[in-house]
Amino acid sequence: DQQVKQNSPSLSVQEGRISILNCDYTNSMFDYFLWYKKYPAEGPTFLISISSIKDKNEDGRFTVFLNKSAKHLSLHIVPSQPGDSAVYFCAASGRFNFGNEKLTFGTGTRLTIIP
Amino acid sequence: ETGVTQTPRHLVMGMTNKKSLKCEQHLGHNAMYWYKQSAKKPLELMFVYSLEERVENNSVPSRFSPECPNSSHLFLHLHTLQPEDSALYLCASSQGVSGVNTGELFFGEGSRLTVL
Repeated sequence: DQQVKQNSPSLSVQEGRISILNCDYTNSMFDYFLWYKKYPAEGPTFLISISSIKDKNEDGRFTVFLNKSAKHLSLHIVPSQPGDSAVYFCAASGRFNFGNEKLTFGTGTRLTIIP
Repeated sequence: ETGVTQTPRHLVMGMTNKKSLKCEQHLGHNAMYWYKQSAKKPLELMFVYSLEERVENNSVPSRFSPECPNSSHLFLHLHTLQPEDSALYLCASSQGVSGVNTGELFFGEGSRLTVL
């Protein structure tokens, strides 16, 4: 049973518009959430994170929103740029985990930015 | 070199072969991980080493054998694999502290394994 779900395997967005990637989780004990970005032939790289004590975290063009009651988080990229084309993984962990040892990942969403 | 490096980048092996994947981190981290990425599946944690001791083994078959000789190096020894083991194997490291979510994993570029 997948505890972290990314229901959209792919998303295409026009350059300059907003990209919204969604992630749902089922375990209410998760209290820390991360987004990773992966280019082909490279390993995932950390993008942005949010703790459950917040509902929003912003870093430049990237903003993550957390809705704890809905067990839902989203990553907003605005404005979208061609270099944002990649696979985005949502991940979650909780105080019941041992540090990073049990990060639970989603299946990823492939974002394509159309010039 | 900086970051997390993995070798080889690509490996093709038969089911009776013995091979090893190597990972080296140059970040001074104290925890290292092996993840498996199969098509259309989430990243699966295989092994975790913290301060060179294994702290997690997610029921991985014994045909995968990890080795962590020091905090900078991690190996994954492969023996008698099956075609379904074909996947991208990712190494990662972090400066993990017990009970604290530092969050950020630093990944290598992965070793693409094909088992014939």
